[in-house]
Amino acid sequence: QVTLKESGPVLVKPTETLTLTCVVSGFSLANPKFGVSWFRQPPGKALEWLAHIFSTDEKSYSASLKTRLSISKDTSKRQVVLSMTNMDPVDTGTYFCARGAPYHDTAGWRWFDPWGQGTLVTVSS
Amino acid sequence: DIQMTQSPSSVSASVGDTVTITCRASQVIDNWLAWYQQKPGRAPNFLIYAASSLRSGVPSRFSGSGSGTDFTLTITNLQPEDFATYYCQQAHSFPITFGQGTRLEIK
Repeated sequence: QVTLKESGPVLVKPTETLTLTCVVSGFSLANPKFGVSWFRQPPGKALEWLAHIFSTDEKSYSASLKTRLSISKDTSKRQVVLSMTNMDPVDTGTYFCARGAPYHDTAGWRWFDPWGQGTLVTVSS
Repeated sequence: DIQMTQSPSSVSASVGDTVTITCRASQVIDNWLAWYQQKPGRAPNFLIYAASSLRSGVPSRFSGSGSGTDFTLTITNLQPEDFATYYCQQAHSFPITFGQGTRLEIK
């Protein structure tokens, strides 16, 4: 069974750095079929893609957030970590990690299944 | 970035009805499109990939179509568990982008 689970702080202060961890099971982060992306969703709003990491360690970032984001992985620990600097109240929302699904295309980044349950992060002083 | 525009933003329907949601891309994305269902407080649930291929286990009352810039998600014989928000996502190129969502409500 493939699962992903996000963890991190529930509350962060403005200007602080957010660090979130996604622990995966049921697949290997070294498998070229599977990458992992991070997404977020402000309350009542749409999904937003943030960053993706491939098995090769190649990374891709949202252009609008690129200067604030860093994604990394530790294959042996089955973890993908996302850091976001200079947090602001507009960054409040639920953050999800999800596995790239190799359906129709084996690159493992085009669509995402499954998703973690998400973790709600509130930015407030 | 490729912009994805869904319509309508919300729709009301009854159990047993058929509903169609449309998604338009700001440029040609071939068939690189996915659909997700999301219920309140839950993670998105992957439904359709490559515009028209159902993920294993997704009921056949869900179907997708389209290519290029215009896509549709159709749900026939609506069931109570189908009332949720639906998102399209382009998978043509980074950055990955989503539509703004379509909320399907019970009439």
